[in-house]
Amino acid sequence: EPEVTQTPSHQVTQMGQEVILRCVPISNHLYFYWYRQILGQKVEFLVSFYNNEISEKSEIFDDQFSVERPDGSNFTLKIRSTKLEDSAMYFCASSQQGSNTEAFFGQGTRLTVV
Amino acid sequence: RKEVEQDPGPFNVPEGATVAFNCTYSNSASQSFFWYRQDCRKEPKLLMSVYSSGNEDGRFTAQLNRASQYISLLIRDSKLSDSATYLCVVNGEDTGRRALTFGSGTRLQVQP
Repeated sequence: EPEVTQTPSHQVTQMGQEVILRCVPISNHLYFYWYRQILGQKVEFLVSFYNNEISEKSEIFDDQFSVERPDGSNFTLKIRSTKLEDSAMYFCASSQQGSNTEAFFGQGTRLTVV
Repeated sequence: RKEVEQDPGPFNVPEGATVAFNCTYSNSASQSFFWYRQDCRKEPKLLMSVYSSGNEDGRFTAQLNRASQYISLLIRDSKLSDSATYLCVVNGEDTGRRALTFGSGTRLQVQP
C-alpha cells in the first residue's frame, strides 16, 4: 500500500539552528501539506502546496518557515531559526484531489528544540 | 467558538460495549467531513469519511447533521484495539480555508 514517508523520525536541534524536514508524498497525489502537533494538543495546519506553489498557509507559517519541492518526489519544510516553541511533531500529508478527499499522513518527525 | 469541538473524554468502556462520540463544527460552509483515528504519538489515520446520508463501515457508523452542524461516530462491539483518540476533521473549503481543521479528539479506552 502506498504511503507517505518522512525523515528523520526524530530531530534534536539547538535553538536558532535551521532544520529541514523531509517528506515523500504518495506518488500520484497532487496536494501536499504540513501539519504540526504540539505534545498534548490538537493537530494544526501549517501550509498546503499544489502545482509547485503554496496554495494556503496558516498564521503559524510565518517567515521562519518555507516549503519546497526540489524534485519530483520530495517535499520539504524548512525552519530557518528554530525556537523552543517549535518543538512538536510535524506531519506531512498528501491527497489526490485537495481537501475534499482524504489526506494520508506520514509517520511524523518529532522535532525537539533545546 | 472553537472551529471543531469534541468532548475530550476519556470514555472508558468494557469490551463489547457500544460507544458514541459527537462533534460540532462552526463553519456552516464546510463541505467535507472525516473521522480520523490517532494512536499515542502516531500519525492520524483515516477511519472514515462522513456523508450526508450517513454511512457505515463494519462496526463503525458515521452521521452528519448539517442543520445542527453536528457529526457523530458510533462504534459497536468495542474491541481492545479500538482504544485510541478519535479526531473529528472538517474542511472549510468555501471560506477559502481549504485545509483540514482538526478537533482536539476524544480519547477512548476499551477495557477487558
